[in-house]
Amino acid sequence: EDKVVQSPLSLVVHEGDTVTLNCSYEVTNFRSLLWYKQEKKAPTFLFMLTSSGIEKKSGRLSSILDKKELSSILNITATQTGDSAIYLCAVSFYGRLGGADGLTFGKGTHLIIQP
Amino acid sequence: DTAVSQTPKYLVTQMGNDKSIKCEQNLGHDTMYWYKQDSKKFLKIMFSYNNKELIINETVPNRFSPKSPDKAHLNLHINSLELGDSAVYFCASSLRGGGIDNEQFFGPGTRLTVL
Repeated sequence: EDKVVQSPLSLVVHEGDTVTLNCSYEVTNFRSLLWYKQEKKAPTFLFMLTSSGIEKKSGRLSSILDKKELSSILNITATQTGDSAIYLCAVSFYGRLGGADGLTFGKGTHLIIQP
Repeated sequence: DTAVSQTPKYLVTQMGNDKSIKCEQNLGHDTMYWYKQDSKKFLKIMFSYNNKELIINETVPNRFSPKSPDKAHLNLHINSLELGDSAVYFCASSLRGGGIDNEQFFGPGTRLTVL
């Protein structure tokens, strides 16, 4: 059965700290790994990673995929209270719909940034 | 100019009732999805739907049925509601194609409470 595991499940840090969130996966016919941020409503897209070793960056957030280790990390530097959210890792795979079979999500990391 | 919209936002109903949740996307996407997020915030794929081809997660009870009147809509109909159906239901859409930039965009969610 396909599996996506995130760690830690929850994390409390102070503003200004740097955090690293982990995601590992066991998915047949891997296509891509995605990171989402969920605050009170819908998950919002952060990154999509398909190639190993290429860092994607957006402001203070960055992410990289390691296909050999079947894992990815999401880094957030100089954290702010507005970064408090659940960070979801998801994996897509080549299935019957050729990559549109839906995402398999991890349980998320609940990140709390204290002032 | 909402990308993926769902109605209603909140739905409170009695056990045994039949209800529907509507989803519409104006992104020109060709694939739509339904996800269920339980009380522990775990997001799980229920259905993927592309050009009349439906992929069903085998764990989804057959009381749940997606209905797509056209490419921009995928509604979720639920028969004989049970207490365990209480959750937040998210609709999402993406562009399948052959490209890799097919991240899924999520609707705002429908919080279903079964009493």
